[in-house]
Order: sequence, then structure tokens, then C-alpha cells
Amino acid sequence: DAGVIQSPRHEVTEMGQEVTLRCKPISGHDYLFWYRQTMMRGLELLIYFNNNVPIDDSGMPEDRFSAKMPNASFSTLKIQPSEPRDSAVYFCASSLLGVYAGELFFGEGSRLTVL
Amino acid sequence: GESVGLHLPTLSVQEGDNSIINCAYSNSASDYFIWYKQESGKGPQFIIDIRSNMDKRQGQRVTVLLNKTVKHLSLQIAATQPGDSAVYFCAEPILTGGGNKLTFGTGTQLKVEL
Repeated sequence: DAGVIQSPRHEVTEMGQEVTLRCKPISGHDYLFWYRQTMMRGLELLIYFNNNVPIDDSGMPEDRFSAKMPNASFSTLKIQPSEPRDSAVYFCASSLLGVYAGELFFGEGSRLTVL
Repeated sequence: GESVGLHLPTLSVQEGDNSIINCAYSNSASDYFIWYKQESGKGPQFIIDIRSNMDKRQGQRVTVLLNKTVKHLSLQIAATQPGDSAVYFCAEPILTGGGNKLTFGTGTQLKVEL
């Protein structure tokens, strides 16, 4: 298996632009997680899905952020409009049985820079 | 003004020495802990986990110790190698209104000196 695949790996955009980050989880994994990593706040959970259904989105910073999982093999995280403070590395992770039953498999991350 | 980031504790060890990375937790009801390793430019990678009914668990060159009395967790790496240089996070599921969220600590930077 290729692991969790994220795209793009790097994105540089200007304030106000829409940003879409994409994730393909490991086949067969029922859980998908979006994390954000910054120097200021470390690794933060933004949202997670179980069987394509959003379970907890309390970590989504504000209405500018939205996430979807239209099917078991694809998820998007969208920021509209983007702001400089959204600059971070965004990680997608998937797992078979959730956070109490083993590891989360992380992608390589999408590094976002908003100018 | 200048932004202040998280101050990552740093542990420097000589190649071949043993490393001990520590983590404290606050919730005495916590019952599952995981250690992750994050190399530069990569996503976190699972190392080992431990449940609260255990005090110790061993993997390949790694041992996790859990002291529930003082709410302390440690990761021991035997014969540390240059490839062990990374940031190490302890993590635990935190029950919130929406479900169980895997919450990460701030991390410890391990530097292996040749």
C-alpha cells in the first residue's frame, strides 16, 4: 500500500485565495483525521471522519475552514478565504479502528504558506 | 512583534548511548498512550503504545514505561542511532463531546551526536 497520500506537498498562495488540500487514506481504513501543525500550537486535530461521516469538527478554527469526505478514498480540506495565520503544515491521517486501537498513519503533509 | 513558538525541549545524546524521553499527563483516568516519531519534513510515525493495565512495554530497541502514580510516561531508546534524530511526541485519546480525539504533547527534539 502506498500509505496516506496528500496533495499538494507545498502551496504558496496570497491572502484571500481559496486553498484546497487533498487526501487519499489507506484503503480499508474507516477513520480519517485532519491535523494542523504550527510552531505556535503544535499538532492540533481539526476534524475527523468515521465511515465518511464527520464525527468531531470542534477543532476547525472558523467558518473559513471546511472538510468533506465524499467517499472512502478521498477527503478535502478547504480554506476560503485564506489568511496568513493559516500558514502551517496540514496532515491527513487514517486508521483502521480509531484512536484507541492502534496507530494512525500520517501522510507527508501539505505545507501551506499564505502571503 | 516577533511571534513566540513552542519551546521544544531538546535531548542531545551520543551515538550508542541510551535515550530517555519523558512525558507527563494530567488526567488520572487516561488509559492509553502512544509514542510517535516525526522526522524533519515528514508526518508523525507510530512507535509504540501502552495501556494503563501495563507498567512497561518493549519493542525493538524501544521501551515505554508508565508510572500511573505520578502520571508520567517515558520512552527509552537503546543504543541510539543517527536515524533516531527526530521529534518525539507522546499522545493520548481525550474524550470530548464529539468523540475521542488523539491529542499530542508538545514534543521533544532528540539530537544524536556522532
